[in-house]
Amino acid sequence: DQQVKQNSPSLSVQEGRISILNCDYTNSMFDYFLWYKKYPAEGPTFLISISSIKDKNEDGRFTVFLNKSAKHLSLHIVPSQPGDSAVYFCAATVGGSNYKLTFGKGTLLTVNP
Amino acid sequence: NAGVTQTPKFQVLKTGQSMTLQCAQDMNHNSMYWYRQDPGMGLRLIYYSASEGTTDKGEVPNGYNVSRLNKREFSLRLESAAPSQTSVYFCASSEGTVREKLFFGSGTQLSVL
Repeated sequence: DQQVKQNSPSLSVQEGRISILNCDYTNSMFDYFLWYKKYPAEGPTFLISISSIKDKNEDGRFTVFLNKSAKHLSLHIVPSQPGDSAVYFCAATVGGSNYKLTFGKGTLLTVNP
Repeated sequence: NAGVTQTPKFQVLKTGQSMTLQCAQDMNHNSMYWYRQDPGMGLRLIYYSASEGTTDKGEVPNGYNVSRLNKREFSLRLESAAPSQTSVYFCASSEGTVREKLFFGSGTQLSVL
C-alpha cells in the first residue's frame, strides 16, 4: 500500500522552462512534506519542505504547493537548468512520528540544454 | 566537510555471510538512520536512532541489527545475508526529527549472491 505516490517515473523539459513534479498521498495524517533530490551515485539531498498549515513554500527557483483537500503536492522549478537533472523524491511524515519518513518512488527529471 | 561517511561503497556477499556497514557523521547530529533503496522504489527505513543509546525499528527491520556506538557512529549488521537484501543502503543523520533536513551518505551498493 503506497501512501506517497509519484505517478510520473520521468519528466523531460527544456532549459529555461518550468518543471512541475507531482506527488499524491493517501494518508490524511501526514502533516509535513519534503522534497529530496538525488544525483547518480550520491545520497539524496534536501531541497524544500512544507508544513500542512501552509499551502506554499518558496526557496529561490523552487516552490512547493500543497493542496490538502486533494492530497496533492507539487514542486515547481523555474527556470529549469541542466544541473537540475536528477531524481526527485517526495516524502511525508505523520504528526507525532518524529523519525519516520515515507518516500515516493521518485521522478527522474531531465533538463535538456 | 565530510558530512556522513559510509563504508564500504560496494560489497558482494554470498548467501549466509555476515557483514557490517559502517556510518559516521561529523555534524554532531542527534539522530541517525539506515535506509534501503531498491530499483524503482523509494527509500525505506530499516532502523533509526533518535539519540545516542537508543535504537528503534523502521519499516523493514527483519534480517538487520544496528548499533549506535556513540553519537557519531551508527552501524548496520546483516547476520546472515539473503538475496532479498541486495540493495543500495543509505545512512543519514539529522539534528533532531525528520522535519529537519536529513543528510545522507553516498550509499553502499550491496549484492548478495
